[in-house]
Amino acid sequence: DAGVTQSPTHLIKTRGQQVTLRCSPKSGHDTVSWYQQALGQGPQFIFQYYEEEERQRGNFPDRFSGHQFPNYSSELNVNALLLGDSALYLCASSLDGNYGYTFGSGTRLTVV
Amino acid sequence: GEDVEQSLFLSVREGDSSVINCTYTDSSSTYLYWYKQEPGAGLQLLTYIFSNMDMKQDQRLTVLLNKKDKHLSLRIADTQTGDSAIYFCAEMEDDKIIFGKGTRLHILP
Repeated sequence: DAGVTQSPTHLIKTRGQQVTLRCSPKSGHDTVSWYQQALGQGPQFIFQYYEEEERQRGNFPDRFSGHQFPNYSSELNVNALLLGDSALYLCASSLDGNYGYTFGSGTRLTVV
Repeated sequence: GEDVEQSLFLSVREGDSSVINCTYTDSSSTYLYWYKQEPGAGLQLLTYIFSNMDMKQDQRLTVLLNKKDKHLSLRIADTQTGDSAIYFCAEMEDDKIIFGKGTRLHILP
């Protein structure tokens, strides 16, 4: 049983560009959350998707947006990239109402 | 507000016990977690404890929860070189997980 899969694993972008990161949740999970982990920091909550809607959002600007598809997979989009957006982006899936979150290995984004 | 705090570094000799401490602020947290992150990897759930428990043991891992003081600890018995990693304390709040900054565990030979 595959866990959470994220693609790509690494990405280099230039300031001002846009990026899309992808996440496939663990089989049976219907909720996807995205986290940003800057170097030396703990993961910070970006937003959570359930039933194709953004259910909760952390303290991130509107440049960060997302989408959830009918098959529960999700995308994270970041527009107008800044150097400070360089981080490991983690996707976590869960079953609504359940405590168990499964994390993917992340996408490491470098903005130059 | 949401805040999970933990010390940044811990050095322990191989074979000794490691104790990593954490404090949290949200008294309504239902679940508290310990995650492990090895270099270049994602997060691995080590263990969790429900807020109405005060202790949970799982092989070499023991979690203690003092709800009155909002203090959580993780004890790793017989620490091995493979335990070298960053350990994150986390609380569940409103269906999202709030993480501390992580404690880097260094194992001395």
